[in-house]
Amino acid sequence: AQKVTQAQTEISVVEKEDVTLDCVYETRDTTYYLFWYKQPPSGELVFLIRRNSFDEQNEISGRYSWNFQKSTSSFNFTITASQVVDSAVYFCALMTPGANSKLTFGKGITLSVRP
Amino acid sequence: DAMVIQNPRYQVTQFGKPVTLSCSQTLNHNVMYWYQQKSSQAPKLLFHYYDKDFNNEADTPDNFQSRRPNTSFCFLDIRSPGLGDAAMYLCATSRGRTSGYTFGSGTRLTVV
Repeated sequence: AQKVTQAQTEISVVEKEDVTLDCVYETRDTTYYLFWYKQPPSGELVFLIRRNSFDEQNEISGRYSWNFQKSTSSFNFTITASQVVDSAVYFCALMTPGANSKLTFGKGITLSVRP
Repeated sequence: DAMVIQNPRYQVTQFGKPVTLSCSQTLNHNVMYWYQQKSSQAPKLLFHYYDKDFNNEADTPDNFQSRRPNTSFCFLDIRSPGLGDAAMYLCATSRGRTSGYTFGSGTRLTVV
């Protein structure tokens, strides 16, 4: 069985603050994929990143960065210098390969960035 | 632009009246998924098609059916909607089972 835990439910920050969204996952598979999606008020899920289990290299994309640590089964997401447009629900998700492969989502974190 | 399109954006249906939600894609992806997302909850997979192969999740109610007449289109049929079926329904596609998904904007279903 696979599981994704996003312990934080709501986070509120002031613009320009840095914020980290936590994600902890559980799986018995040695090969798996981790994802982050953003869901703005419009409802569409926007793909942010995909990381496979063999690549622990951290990634930076503009103001976004991801820290993948297999030792703690975590895949945390940091937004640097947050902006009002970052306000959304952020989902971490896990996928394992195979015939029944599917994306399993965490419960999501609602981020509010205040001007 | 290649994308996943869901119509309509908002759908109101009567309790017990069959309703169909549609999804189309221009990405030519092999896999199409239907997720149900209730308010303040994570999306929950209902079923998916890998090409023409239909895969139903074990806990998806029989009230929900799906059709995929060709690569581009996939439909979600709710035979007798109940009040508990009110939710956002998200369609997604992927090239392969472990590829990233592309989601549509969703259809928000209201049951009255």
